[in-house]
Amino acid sequence: DTGVSQDPRHKITKRGQNVTFRCDPISEHNRLYWYRQTLGQGPEFLTYFQNEAQLEKSRLLSDRFSAERPKGSFSTLEIQRTEQGDSAMYLCASSLVRSYEQYFGPGTRLTVT
Amino acid sequence: QKEVEQNSGPLSVPEGAIASLNCTYSDRVSQSFFWYRQYSGKSPELIMSIYSNGDKEDGRFTAQLNKASQYVSLLIRDSQPSDSATYLCAVKGEGQNFVFGPGTRLSVLP
Repeated sequence: DTGVSQDPRHKITKRGQNVTFRCDPISEHNRLYWYRQTLGQGPEFLTYFQNEAQLEKSRLLSDRFSAERPKGSFSTLEIQRTEQGDSAMYLCASSLVRSYEQYFGPGTRLTVT
Repeated sequence: QKEVEQNSGPLSVPEGAIASLNCTYSDRVSQSFFWYRQYSGKSPELIMSIYSNGDKEDGRFTAQLNKASQYVSLLIRDSQPSDSATYLCAVKGEGQNFVFGPGTRLSVLP
């Protein structure tokens, strides 16, 4: 399977703990996006990488959130000091530089208790 | 705040009918528009993209774009029960900040 993969698929954590999610994009895709989706809403843009450079970050993104994409391959999204409001599906998507068509991974469902 | 609006539905159509899904957007500089399908508990999957005014057809799907009216729609011909899902409209403005609408839930009744 050469699609976007995400790990873990589910994460339950206690409030105040740190969590890290991983995304592996489609191999030839230079662009990588992170989104957050809550029930009944569309995905909300969090941040964007082109190769290893983080080029855009949502103004709504708290300082507790950080993302990296070392060497322009996989990416990680870390949430520090989790809060119950962080409970959501975290989606990763990738695309080619010459196209804006994004392909999503299966997502990581985070539950903060 | 750039907005993308969709009727949340549910939109119910009988099997074999045409389903019409609508989306309006606020950012006049938007140039790229996308429709995604999302089954319950799954991630969005790309159906179509459209960049120019007019219609774009792909199988049973037709996307329609009217930039003057800031309106994009998706028609699904010969609707099947397997088309029952939430349909998300996404709009790309300047940069790489894509804005998604809340989605329209479609139910195709056998």
